[in-house]
Amino acid sequence: DAMVIQNPRYQVTQFGKPVTLSCSQTLNHNVMYWYQQKSSQAPKLLFHYYDKDFNNEADTPDNFQSRRPNTSFCFLDIRSPGLGDAAMYLCATSRELQAAQYFGPGTRLTVT
Amino acid sequence: DQQVKQNSPSLSVQEGRISILNCDYTNSMFDYFLWYKKYPAEGPTFLISISSIKDKNEDGRFTVFLNKSAKHLSLHIVPSQPGDSAVYFCAARPGTSYGKLTFGQGTILTVHP
Repeated sequence: DAMVIQNPRYQVTQFGKPVTLSCSQTLNHNVMYWYQQKSSQAPKLLFHYYDKDFNNEADTPDNFQSRRPNTSFCFLDIRSPGLGDAAMYLCATSRELQAAQYFGPGTRLTVT
Repeated sequence: DQQVKQNSPSLSVQEGRISILNCDYTNSMFDYFLWYKKYPAEGPTFLISISSIKDKNEDGRFTVFLNKSAKHLSLHIVPSQPGDSAVYFCAARPGTSYGKLTFGQGTILTVHP
């Protein structure tokens, strides 16, 4: 089945220790997104890639970076995680920017 | 500034009855609206969408209604089933080439057998 896969599902990292979250898709979609969702809040878009073009949201902290080495994979790098970065991180894809987005199961990040 | 609001944090419905989930928005530039369902420990699953050129879209048990003048949309589930119990998010995006979705906070739907 075509799908959006996120690894790992649960990640624990230490304060200030860099961490990378992974997303892959078998849908061959052009667009990949990263969202942050904190408890009881709406998902918040961090950035997206349209093909190789990176688009950062204006209020995304510099601490968050992303890489998309090919169509199938996209990574979220948090350079120096703080306690406030503990959240669920959702990856999504869409065929085009105007199309519906399909989400992965998310990675729950804990910062100790 | 919360541009998409779901004012009911939770809704409880009996199996077989109608579930009505509501969503209000403030940004008049929004022209495409989506509903997502989310089970615990899973990502949101796309349910149904509607463009601003329509006022109703139906897919099986799910119908979305859009009232542009009131900046209000609703999701109707008929008949409701226990498996529909989940968190429901509405989302909206503007009519530009940029596909950023703005989500509401979600409504927890519980369908009792």
